Amino acid sequence: AQKITQTQPGMFVQEKEAVTLDCTYDTSDPSYGLFWYKQPSSGEMIFLIYQGSYDQQNATEGRYSLNFQKARKSANLVISASQLGDSAMYFCAMREPDTGRRALTFGSGTRLQVQP
Amino acid sequence: DTEVTQTPKHLVMGMTNKKSLKCEQHMGHRAMYWYKQKAKKPPELMFVYSYEKLSINESVPSRFSPECPNSSLLNLHLHALQPEDSALYLCASSQTGANEKLFFGSGTQLSVL
Repeated sequence: AQKITQTQPGMFVQEKEAVTLDCTYDTSDPSYGLFWYKQPSSGEMIFLIYQGSYDQQNATEGRYSLNFQKARKSANLVISASQLGDSAMYFCAMREPDTGRRALTFGSGTRLQVQP
Repeated sequence: DTEVTQTPKHLVMGMTNKKSLKCEQHMGHRAMYWYKQKAKKPPELMFVYSYEKLSINESVPSRFSPECPNSSLLNLHLHALQPEDSALYLCASSQTGANEKLFFGSGTQLSVL
């Protein structure tokens, strides 16, 4: 079974608008962590935001926020005021430390294109 | 210094060659990782080192041989690779806490002819 599911292979958004990238996950580890990374065409993986399973509030980092719905096992990324430089591949990832898997497992990714 | 540096950025090798990929970080991280990423796919974990000891090998073929000579360096030795091994190889490092974020290098784009 997929641990991390991203159902949107590609998304388009107009510059200055907000966009939501979907992510659902599956784990039996009570203390997991959820991460979003951005991968531009240059290849490097850039950390955007982190949500811990015990965190009471949704994480925010500048224009990025994470809509964490624990009961639904979803961790959607919201990008506000999109910029042309936001065009990239976005990966949702999970860490399950209690299972011994302290490495990240990635979803299949969503390619975001911001249009002027 | 919050960088993970990978060299070379690009590598072309024949199936009989031996080459090495290098990764370096100076953030004091004691966990280091190798991931393999095929085009249009997510990164897939290959190896994890924790305190310079191999802690995870995701059933990677023996033609890939990792090495962690010290806490700042991680190598991936390549020998007798196949064309299907062509991919972007990403190195990452992190603190060893339960849910620490990974810092990634920009990768080595490997082509096996």
